Amino acid sequence: QLTQSPSSLSASVGDRVTITCRASQGISHSLAWYQQKPGKAPKLLIYAASTLQSGVPSRFSGSGSGADFTLTISSLQPEDFVIYYCQQLFSYPWTFGQGTKVEIK
Amino acid sequence: QVQLVQSGAEVKRPGSSVKVSCKASGGTLNNYAISWVRQAPGQGLEWMGGIIPISAPPNYAQKFQGRVTMTADGSTSTAYMEVSSLTSEDTAVYYCARSPPPYYYGMDVWGQGTTVIVS
Repeated sequence: QLTQSPSSLSASVGDRVTITCRASQGISHSLAWYQQKPGKAPKLLIYAASTLQSGVPSRFSGSGSGADFTLTISSLQPEDFVIYYCQQLFSYPWTFGQGTKVEIK
Repeated sequence: QVQLVQSGAEVKRPGSSVKVSCKASGGTLNNYAISWVRQAPGQGLEWMGGIIPISAPPNYAQKFQGRVTMTADGSTSTAYMEVSSLTSEDTAVYYCARSPPPYYYGMDVWGQGTTVIVS
């Protein structure tokens, strides 16, 4: 079970935002973060909790291990106002968090 | 660059079945895992199960046990997912997604999605 928070947040361009994901049991560093734009398939941003996927801007970063994880966007850009999901890949089923919608303030 | 190309949209009657295909274009699925993820209208992502790697038996989320069948053909680099006994609650976009080894690194390539409407 993954609990992602907040479910939504309002921020401005240039803001630093943090999204958290908490697992009900330890999952080592088997966590990924995805970004989903409207009408599109999700895109892998971070894998193994803190490794940036190739081609993803460096303003995205991930941290954590065990049960508590965070995704940080250091300076929001206009294209970042979409939905983000965490996913645990430690044990089956590979569950997703509920998602966080990042909205423009 | 590998792409996953899924079959087209489907409209199905309640009680019927649907089979969605997912073909790797420009590469192979050998040694990779293939997951199936669905997204109901306005809802989040739901992992249905996967073949991890594609030579292994499938692993299904409990919710879909007995109603979903996932298969893969390494020779054609194509994966399939069939859902039977459809209800309106199965109306969703269905995605296939690839995980490279080690599989806990997440799903790095996704299909474009297949819309299934049950009505």
